[in-house]
Amino acid sequence: DQQVKQNSPSLSVQEGRISILNCDYTNSMFDYFLWYKKYPAEGPTFLISISSIKDKNEDGRFTVFLNKSAKHLSLHIVPSQPGDSAVYFCAAMGWRAQKLVFGQGTRLTINP
Amino acid sequence: GAGVSQSPSNKVTEKGKDVELRCDPISGHTALYWYRQSLGQGLEFLIYFQGNSAPDKSGLPSDRFSAERTGGSVSTLTIQRTQQEDSAVYLCASRPGPNTEAFFGQGTRLTVV
Repeated sequence: DQQVKQNSPSLSVQEGRISILNCDYTNSMFDYFLWYKKYPAEGPTFLISISSIKDKNEDGRFTVFLNKSAKHLSLHIVPSQPGDSAVYFCAAMGWRAQKLVFGQGTRLTINP
Repeated sequence: GAGVSQSPSNKVTEKGKDVELRCDPISGHTALYWYRQSLGQGLEFLIYFQGNSAPDKSGLPSDRFSAERTGGSVSTLTIQRTQQEDSAVYLCASRPGPNTEAFFGQGTRLTVV
């Protein structure tokens, strides 16, 4: 039962353009969502989060959008830089069940 | 350091042996998670602790896997009678409270030969 889904295993974007990574979830009890970035041989590092009371959260080049009715969130990176090349995971949790559930990840490659 | 610490960083073991993986969370973090990432796969949830209790251990693959947490701090993941399919990177994360981000350690790469 994959409660958090990232349907694109990979994405390639030209440097300077916008990268858009997508994530869908099925559990309506989820109310807090996070994005993580992972380089090879390292643990995931936190990027940005959003609570279900908001529909947008911005931090520098990173913006997360939440569409609760569609059970969909997206991460926008603009402008994309070569150092953004990594695997990106979305994650979700609910207030009552604090289990943090991850998607399968999307490998982002930024081309010069 | 102030981050989540995992040991060992690498472990090679023979099939059938038992292994223990250790996680030192960030001081004061009440929640602790174990995940594993097999080659080319996503982050597979194993178990989650709130304090010393494990409200959700639904991700443990078999009864060969167990975990404990003592003193609301250090956690140990034990795999008995290891199999080759147990080979993966085992990641630990801790979180200070509800609806906060989790901080990950560098992981333990387990190879069963």
